[in-house]
Amino acid sequence: EDQVTQSPEALRLQEGESSSLNCSYTVSGLRGLFWYRQDPGKGPEFLFTLYSAGEEKEKERLKATLTKKESFLHITAPKPEDSATYLCAVPRGKLTFGTGTRLTIIP
Amino acid sequence: DAGITQSPRYKITETGRQVTLMCHQTWSHSYMFWYRQDLGHGLRLIYYSAAADITDKGEVPDGYVVSRSKTENFPLTLESATRSQTSVYFCASAAGNSYEQYFGPGTRLTVT
Repeated sequence: EDQVTQSPEALRLQEGESSSLNCSYTVSGLRGLFWYRQDPGKGPEFLFTLYSAGEEKEKERLKATLTKKESFLHITAPKPEDSATYLCAVPRGKLTFGTGTRLTIIP
Repeated sequence: DAGITQSPRYKITETGRQVTLMCHQTWSHSYMFWYRQDLGHGLRLIYYSAAADITDKGEVPDGYVVSRSKTENFPLTLESATRSQTSVYFCASAAGNSYEQYFGPGTRLTVT
């Protein structure tokens, strides 16, 4: 039973080409949805926490939004340094992570 | 430096050997966690600790042992390593009962 599903698995974009990553979840009584960034060879780095449907948070070129069933990570005019794997996670007991979206921004 | 550190960063060991991975954090976070990360499985929780001397199993605890005698340290021991334990291991910490976890740089373990 999947609790957290991320799509697509991989995404290649040209520099400046905006897009969105999806995180869908089936946990009832959501107590937060968490986004992390992971660079190759490093540990995940915390980005955002969203607690309620309709909530939005922004950081530089990233904006995270939340609905009752999914979250989107919007990337506006990305740069090569935005290339990373983006993970979402929900509390199910402790944090349960999705398998991530590997984002590549081509110069 | 403040933060969370792991050692060693890379380790190669043989099947059947005991190996201990170290984790140290300087934030005085009460919660600490051990994950393994494998292709196709993502991050899976092995063990976690709510405070010194309090530990609990996660999703994949078999073959692993943890202890936490001091708040800042949370070692993970593989008592008899198997090839299926080849993975990248991440330690994380969190304040109180917050779900916002902060991760170490990871240990890449290869069991031959």
